[in-house]
Amino acid sequence: GAVVSQHPSWVICKSGTSVKIECRSLDFQATTMFWYRQFPKQSLMLMATSNEGSKATYEQGVEKDKFLINHASLTLSTLTVTSAHPEDSSFYICSASLTGAYEQYFGPGTRLTVT
Amino acid sequence: GQQVMQIPQYQHVQEGEDFTTYCNSSTTLSNIQWYKQRPGGHPVFLIQLVKSGEVKKQKRLTFQFGEAKKNSSLHITATQTTDVGTYFCALKVGYSSASKIIFGSGTRLSIRP
Repeated sequence: GAVVSQHPSWVICKSGTSVKIECRSLDFQATTMFWYRQFPKQSLMLMATSNEGSKATYEQGVEKDKFLINHASLTLSTLTVTSAHPEDSSFYICSASLTGAYEQYFGPGTRLTVT
Repeated sequence: GQQVMQIPQYQHVQEGEDFTTYCNSSTTLSNIQWYKQRPGGHPVFLIQLVKSGEVKKQKRLTFQFGEAKKNSSLHITATQTTDVGTYFCALKVGYSSASKIIFGSGTRLSIRP
């Protein structure tokens, strides 16, 4: 149980275009999901907390207009990178936890390359 | 806000040798979590420690939480090639739906067969 999926697993896009990444909890409902970004050989940096039915909470320094997060249902959160630039190229990972549980289950990640 | 520092950044060991990574904080921690991320993979939860002086074992892995709850360690006995990856300590901050996980910088373990 507690499986999180992400789609796509990798994507290449041109500079200036937008990319949408989906995060789904497959066998549980997640009122809260988290979005992280990870550059090569670095740690995971929390970008935002996605709350079902309400606005996402962004970490300091993360542009909310650039990284649009929508948590429309208890099993789906989406991250849209708008007007992507090469510096947005990174590994984007989502996570979720079961209600009342302390461990996070991570999706397999999406590798974004902006050319 | 609260954060944790992790050392060393890298560790390269001979297969069969032991390995330890340390996580330190300047403030008292309510909990510490440990995750493992294989190369190209995603983090996988290993354990959470909450009690002062707590020691937990998972086969060859031993996790400790300091008496002052300001540091933690992960020790692997007799490393195997399957242990390769990056080990992160992480801190859960906040409560319920407002909680979030903050990751340490990680220790990348590589092993000479």
